[in-house]
Amino acid sequence: LAKTTQPISMDSYEGQEVNITCSHNNIATNDYITWYQQFPSQGPRFIIQGYKTKVTNEVASLFIPADRKSSTLSLPRVSLSDTAVYYCLVGDRNTGRRALTFGSGTRLQVQP
Amino acid sequence: NAGVTQTPKFQVLKTGQSMTLQCAQDMNHNSMYWYRQDPGMGLRLIYYSASEGTTDKGEVPNGYNVSRLNKREFSLRLESAAPSQTSVYFCASSERQAAGGPLHFGNGTRLTVT
Repeated sequence: LAKTTQPISMDSYEGQEVNITCSHNNIATNDYITWYQQFPSQGPRFIIQGYKTKVTNEVASLFIPADRKSSTLSLPRVSLSDTAVYYCLVGDRNTGRRALTFGSGTRLQVQP
Repeated sequence: NAGVTQTPKFQVLKTGQSMTLQCAQDMNHNSMYWYRQDPGMGLRLIYYSASEGTTDKGEVPNGYNVSRLNKREFSLRLESAAPSQTSVYFCASSERQAAGGPLHFGNGTRLTVT
């Protein structure tokens, strides 16, 4: 399974756009990229999933370059409530071999 | 619609004691999972059940057993608790393991082993 690397922490201010990049150099052909958000004392929550190019939903955008060796989660106009840990996972969607490990994630701190 | 419910929320055990963590989902999902999260760390998969009647080891299965009681319920048992098992345990479910759909998590069981 592809190993992922993310920054340990990031700081931002309310109203700014935040981009969190995840490296997954050995991503396989069938692997999808999924991002989760986790607040303290809660389980992770699904944000977005993609395979290539760009995916957008009501919460975030996911940018995946052509070589798929990295991906960027973009959070537009963050607020204090976006302070959380963000996890990038890479796993095979078709055969059920999910990413086993969430990794340490990126701790985002949003300041007023 | 409660989603994924875990009981208990908190538990303190002494070394050598046993206990079962309960998990139930009401979303008619086929696949269920148990993760543990140590302080400041990500989640590691202990066991999973792709469908009712099947279970498989994850990354850190030693010291644990699981039972997929029915489609709704997936329990995690610690036969002889050790301090190294102090952690937060999360149960999750998904529609189908192979579908790549999102995992839905409970709010965790905080276990301390003294």
